[in-house]
Amino acid sequence: DQQVKQNSPSLSVQEGRISILNCDYTNSMFDYFLWYKKYPAEGPTFLISISSIKDKNEDGRFTVFLNKSAKHLSLHIVPSQPGDSAVYFCAALGGSNYKLTFGKGTLLTVNP
Amino acid sequence: GAGVSQSPSNKVTEKGKDVELRCDPISGHTALYWYRQSLGQGLEFLIYFQGNSAPDKSGLPSDRFSAERTGGSVSTLTIQRTQQEDSAVYLCASSLMSGPGELFFGEGSRLTVL
Repeated sequence: DQQVKQNSPSLSVQEGRISILNCDYTNSMFDYFLWYKKYPAEGPTFLISISSIKDKNEDGRFTVFLNKSAKHLSLHIVPSQPGDSAVYFCAALGGSNYKLTFGKGTLLTVNP
Repeated sequence: GAGVSQSPSNKVTEKGKDVELRCDPISGHTALYWYRQSLGQGLEFLIYFQGNSAPDKSGLPSDRFSAERTGGSVSTLTIQRTQQEDSAVYLCASSLMSGPGELFFGEGSRLTVL
């Protein structure tokens, strides 16, 4: 039973355009959400997070939007750069203050 | 180094053998976590340490899996009598304290059980 779902295994966008990565969750206890980025043969690195008391958080080219009623969040990257090509994991925290539940990831490819 | 260090980076073993995976967290980080990523799957929580104590071992798949942490620092994940389904990348992460916030992950140990 997947509590965090990333329904798109892959996404391809052109350099300079917007990348939108989506994530859905089912557990109403989740109240904090994070995005991690992973390059091949490296560990995931933290990108951006959002608390459930907010609906938007922005950091440079990265913005995360949270729609609690729809149990949906999205990561926007604009403008996309070839160096953004990686696997992006959505993760959620709730019920405990330490156990992250991850989605399966979306492979983003940004074409020059 | 400044980051989370894991060893070995790659381990190939025969079914039935025991393996030990090591994690050296960032100095001063009190919280340490083990996750694993099987092929095509997301990261799956295994165990959480706060200091040397493991208040949550609920993610360990079976009693063949165990982990310890000593000196509030290095942790070892041990898998006894390995099975083919144990093949995965085992990722260790640490954080300054538990709670909302980023985890710092190591590069992982890729385990292949033949």
